Amino acid sequence: RKEVEQDPGPFNVPEGATVAFNCTYSNSASQSFFWYRQDCRKEPKLLMSVYSSGNEDGRFTAQLNRASQYISLLIRDSKLSDSATYLCVGGRDDKIIFGKGTRLHILP
Amino acid sequence: IAGITQAPTSQILAAGRRMTLRCTQDMRHNAMYWYRQDLGLGLRLIHYSNTAGTTGKGEVPDGYSVSRANTDDFPLTLASAVPSQTSVYFCASSVTLQGEAFFGQGTRLTVV
Repeated sequence: RKEVEQDPGPFNVPEGATVAFNCTYSNSASQSFFWYRQDCRKEPKLLMSVYSSGNEDGRFTAQLNRASQYISLLIRDSKLSDSATYLCVGGRDDKIIFGKGTRLHILP
Repeated sequence: IAGITQAPTSQILAAGRRMTLRCTQDMRHNAMYWYRQDLGLGLRLIHYSNTAGTTGKGEVPDGYSVSRANTDDFPLTLASAVPSQTSVYFCASSVTLQGEAFFGQGTRLTVV
C-alpha cells in the first residue's frame, strides 16, 4: 500500500460548483500535511498547509482527520483557472511523501 | 538567484553517458530532495539530504548518486544513463524534512 493515496480522477466539474478531494495516509507518524497544485508541465507549488483544526484560504478549505488518517481539500465556487493536478503530501521525521495527484478539470 | 534553480532545463543524452543535473537554492534551507515524475507514477523520491554533509536514499535510488558538500547545492548524477531514466526531474528544498517544499522548474531528460 502506498503511504499517501489519492483518487487520480479526473474530476470534471462545472464552473461555479464545489468539489472535494480526499487523501489517505497510512503512516500514523506523519506529522505535517500539505496540498500542492501542479499545472501541466510545471513544478508543484504549495497551495496550503493543513492544520489539525482545519484551515481556510479564500475558496479553499483543508481539513485533517487523524483518527481516520485522511486529509481533505474543498474548493468552492470553482474557476476555470482551478484546473490542475492537486497533490497531497504527508511529512514525517525523515521525509515528505507525495501522493500521485488528483486531476481536476473545470468545465465552462 | 531567487529560490531554487535547476540546470539544464532539458537535455537529450545518449545511453551510457554520465550526466549531472544541477540544483542550487539560496533560501538557506537545510533539506533538499530529488524527485522524478513519470506519467501515472507521480513524484517519486530518488535521494534526499536533511543537512549539508548527509544524504539518504529515497524510493528509487538505483542508478543515481547525490552529494551535499554545502547548504546551497545538491547535484544529482547519473553514472551511466539508461532509457528508463527518461523523465522529468524536480529538485526541491525545505527548511526541515517535514516542512513545506519549494520546487525548481524541472529538468526534462531524454535518454536515447
